[in-house]
Amino acid sequence: EVQLVQSGAEVKKPGESLKISCKGSGYTFTNYWIGWVRQMPGKGLEWMGIIYPGDSDTRYSPSFEGQVTISDDRSISTAYLQWSSLKASDTAMYYCAIRIATPGRIDAFDIWGQGTMVTVSS
Amino acid sequence: EIQMTQSPSTLSASVGDRVTITCRASQTISSWLAWYQQKPGKAPKLLIYKASTLEGGVTSRFSGTGSGTEFFLTISSLQPDDFATYYCQQYSNNPRRLTFGPGTKVDIK
Repeated sequence: EVQLVQSGAEVKKPGESLKISCKGSGYTFTNYWIGWVRQMPGKGLEWMGIIYPGDSDTRYSPSFEGQVTISDDRSISTAYLQWSSLKASDTAMYYCAIRIATPGRIDAFDIWGQGTMVTVSS
Repeated sequence: EIQMTQSPSTLSASVGDRVTITCRASQTISSWLAWYQQKPGKAPKLLIYKASTLEGGVTSRFSGTGSGTEFFLTISSLQPDDFATYYCQQYSNNPRRLTFGPGTKVDIK
């Protein structure tokens, strides 16, 4: 069974760093783009960026470029989303997702992780 | 950067109604348009991709039409399980980007 399992909820203070994870199983991790999507409380979905673990090719939404870092460790089939200095406005649910139907291509997301809630508060 | 809009933002309907949600792109995206359903506290679920292709396992009550800049999601006969928020999402290859629409909440009239 294809699965994306995300790390658990985090509570952080402004200015702290954070790295959340998304572990893929049941498929060849290096053959599929993985995306990250933000959903602020009560708000819509925002695409943050994607990474192709086969060569770590990474693309960011202009809204998130420079604000977060997307990376991967193909040896453990895991993708990461990282902040160096969190702000209260980073409080949100973060989802990872893949397009399992089309190896090497991504036009939509058909498999989603369960989400990681990040709360940033002093 | 391609912008996506959806209308209406909220739609009140009754069980059995036929409902249509509109999604517009700020420039042509051919048929690179997907639709998702999201229920509270859950991850989104892919319903339709390439504007009109029904995702496997999704009920045929859902259908998608359109191309270029205007797209439609239709629910033929609204069922209690369909009350949710619906998002459109475009894909572009150069540069490689995805963009979600702002969402349409379908609630009970």
